[in-house]
Formats: sequence, structure tokens, C-alpha cells
Amino acid sequence: RKEVEQDPGPFNVPEGATVAFNCTYSNSASQSFFWYRQDCRKEPKLLMSVYSSGNEDGRFTAQLNRASQYISLLIRDSKLSDSATYLCVVRGAYNKLIFGAGTRLAVHP
Amino acid sequence: ETGVTQTPRHLVMGMTNKKSLKCEQHLGHNAMYWYKQSAKKPLELMFVYNFKEQTENNSVPSRFSPECPNSSHLFLHLHTLQPEDSALYLCASSPSWTSGTYQETQYFGPGTRLLVL
Repeated sequence: RKEVEQDPGPFNVPEGATVAFNCTYSNSASQSFFWYRQDCRKEPKLLMSVYSSGNEDGRFTAQLNRASQYISLLIRDSKLSDSATYLCVVRGAYNKLIFGAGTRLAVHP
Repeated sequence: ETGVTQTPRHLVMGMTNKKSLKCEQHLGHNAMYWYKQSAKKPLELMFVYNFKEQTENNSVPSRFSPECPNSSHLFLHLHTLQPEDSALYLCASSPSWTSGTYQETQYFGPGTRLLVL
């Protein structure tokens, strides 16, 4: 089983749509969780951390379900500029970041 | 953004060549990392340096040789590579390897896109 699993997509959605990405992780001892965004041929950049109580940053909402070892990212009112690959990231032992393979999002007019 | 810089941005090399990738961070961090990103695969951690000491080698072949002369600079020396080593090589930094708050994260450079012929 992969340490971090994501649906690779692509998710093709129209502008204004709401889209949700899911991610599962295998290590129940994991303590920190993140969503990174990676644009085509660019480096990954932190989008948001994921808190146990869930958190929101503008149009983006992240949720964590420790019991199910499941993380989600919800994007409301999608913009063309949201088109990218979204990486689910889990911090393992000794600050090791374990990356999922990413979910590709394409927002079209 | 110039927090973490990498050179060169693109590199084409033959299997018998020797080349080096350079990474520099201007964030005052103490930990630096090399990652490999192949097409359609997750980022793979290769090496970690904390306060200039190597603390992690993720079973990387010896044809990849890291060097960390100080906390701001990290090199990856390449020799006798194989075509399957073609990938995007990303450098990252963070405040340190073992300490940090819940929100500590890693900052990535733009990467070196390597093609081995």
C-alpha cells in the first residue's frame, strides 16, 4: 500500500464549479498534513496546512479525519488559475514529507 | 521569489559525463533536501542535510553524491548516470530537521530538469 494515495485525475471542471480532492495515508502516527500545489513545470508550493478541526482559506477548505486516515481539499468557485496538480503531503518521522502523486485539476471557461 | 535557487535550470548530459547541480537558500534555514520527481510519480526524498551533516540517504545509488559545505549551499554531483535518472531534481530547505512547530514546512527551489542521453 502506498504511504499517501490520491486519485490522479484529471478533474476537468468549468469555472465556478466546486471540486473536492481526497487523499488517504497509511501511517496512523502521522501528525502533520498539508496540501501543496504544483503548476506545470514548476516547483511545489505550500497551499495550506490541514488542522484537525478543519480549516478554510478563502475558497479552499481542508478537512482531516484521523479515524479514517483521510484528508480532503474542497475548492469552491473554481478559477482558471486554479488549474494545477494538487499534492497531498503527510509529515512522517524526523520531518520527512511524504508526497502523494498528485491530483491534476483543469478548470475550463 | 529567490528564497531557494537552483542552477542550472536545465541540463542534458551523456552517461559518461560528470556534472553538478547547485542549490542555495537565502532563508536562514538549517536543513536542506534533495528530491527527485519523475513523470507521474510522487516526489522521492533522496538526501537530507541538517546543520551540514547528512542525516538521511534514501538508498540512493552512489552515482549521486551530495555535498553540503554550509547550511546555505547544497550540491548534487552526478556521474555515470543512466537514462532512467532523467527527472526533475528539486532542492528544498526548512528551519531544521528535527525541531520546528506544527506548521513548519519546506520551501522548494525551481528545480533542475535533467535529461540523460
